[in-house]
Amino acid sequence: DADVTQTPRNRITKTGKRIMLECSQTKGHDRMYWYRQDPGLGLRLIYYSFDVKDINKGEISDGYSVSRQAQAKFSLSLESAIPNQTALYFCATSDDLSGKDEQFFGPGTRLTVL
Amino acid sequence: SQKIEQNSEALNIQEGKTATLTCNYTNYSPAYLQWYRQDPGRGPVFLLLIRENEKEKRKERLKVTFDTTLKQSLFHITASQPADSATYLCALGAPSNDYKLSFGAGTTVTVRA
Repeated sequence: DADVTQTPRNRITKTGKRIMLECSQTKGHDRMYWYRQDPGLGLRLIYYSFDVKDINKGEISDGYSVSRQAQAKFSLSLESAIPNQTALYFCATSDDLSGKDEQFFGPGTRLTVL
Repeated sequence: SQKIEQNSEALNIQEGKTATLTCNYTNYSPAYLQWYRQDPGRGPVFLLLIRENEKEKRKERLKVTFDTTLKQSLFHITASQPADSATYLCALGAPSNDYKLSFGAGTTVTVRA
């Protein structure tokens, strides 16, 4: 079984709808991240969490919110989806408090907002 | 503002040759640099980490160099194979940024048989 899973894998929705993307991990890592990837722009950090009680904004958090329900679960919500939020979304985890260790990525969620 | 730039053009090489990818950065003092491989429709996979006090790291057919004076890392794939075809991402981490990773846009490598 995959260590980092994301659901759904693909989602098509309409402008104004609320969407939740879910991430679960079995690696026992404290740190979890949400990124979006757009062609030519690379991965950009939306939110990150150092542990269950810690949530931090990344470089592009506007229009998004997150919830860390447990060490293993980190959800990303789009309260009112807009077309420019169409992108590939990745969840990732890491272990070391210093963050020096590698990040482990999920398979991604392809979101299309019409 | 911080900027990370990778080869803007895709790399097309013949099997058996060495692929060399560059990662340049500005307005950044990374403590370490990581390289990831990403296949189409999949999440990135970690390959190598090199720290600021290291000049070179090797792993099998991969070699990474890190020059903090030039603010540049080079990533080499020697004896390339068609299975090496993928997009390669560099990522920088620094204590001033809580060691969060900042990623380059990636370079796509295609190895022809």
